[in-house]
Amino acid sequence: EDQVTQSPEALRLQEGESSSLNCSYTVSGLRGLFWYRQDPGKGPEFLFTLYSAGEEKEKERLKATLTKKESFLHITAPKPEDSATYLCAVQVGSGGSNYKLTFGKGTLLTVNP
Amino acid sequence: SQTIHQWPATLVQPVGSPLSLECTVEGTSNPNLYWYRQAAGRGLQLLFYSVGIGQISSEVPQNLSASRPQDRQFILSSKKLLLSDSGFYLCAWSSQNTIYFGEGSWLTVV
Repeated sequence: EDQVTQSPEALRLQEGESSSLNCSYTVSGLRGLFWYRQDPGKGPEFLFTLYSAGEEKEKERLKATLTKKESFLHITAPKPEDSATYLCAVQVGSGGSNYKLTFGKGTLLTVNP
Repeated sequence: SQTIHQWPATLVQPVGSPLSLECTVEGTSNPNLYWYRQAAGRGLQLLFYSVGIGQISSEVPQNLSASRPQDRQFILSSKKLLLSDSGFYLCAWSSQNTIYFGEGSWLTVV
């Protein structure tokens, strides 16, 4: 069974204090790993897709990396507006037009001013 | 640009009552459409997906059903709600290997 585990469950940082969120996965046939940001009471907002080990993507203060077993979301000098739940998801399968994702439970990030 | 609309945003329903959540996508044609549920303490769970009009696949056995009467319309329904149906329901569509979510509907079954 495909599994996605995110750690820590919650992380509290001071503004400017860099850190990383972890997403480890056990799947067969990984087609892509996705990161989303979710604000309270809202739908998830797409951030990144990573397809192969060694790949990196950046957006503002966020950088996502991928290995064969896990992905990291690095947050550099975070600001209070970066506070949100960050979700990791994997897409598996042999092909076709259906893009089903298996999600982790998320990491709740709080950045204090 | 593509947009996704989902309604109602919140609803409180008694046990045993019916349910209808609606979702429409604008700015694209023949999208893949999805219904996810997010329950407290659990990850997003895929409920249904559709690759075309009238084509529905169910991922989780339950008392919910989905329909796609038009290309860009996706409906989640139930004839009789259970307490365990409470949660945050999200409609989504996919393009170029990325899934985009709507704003969600909060359902509380009392």
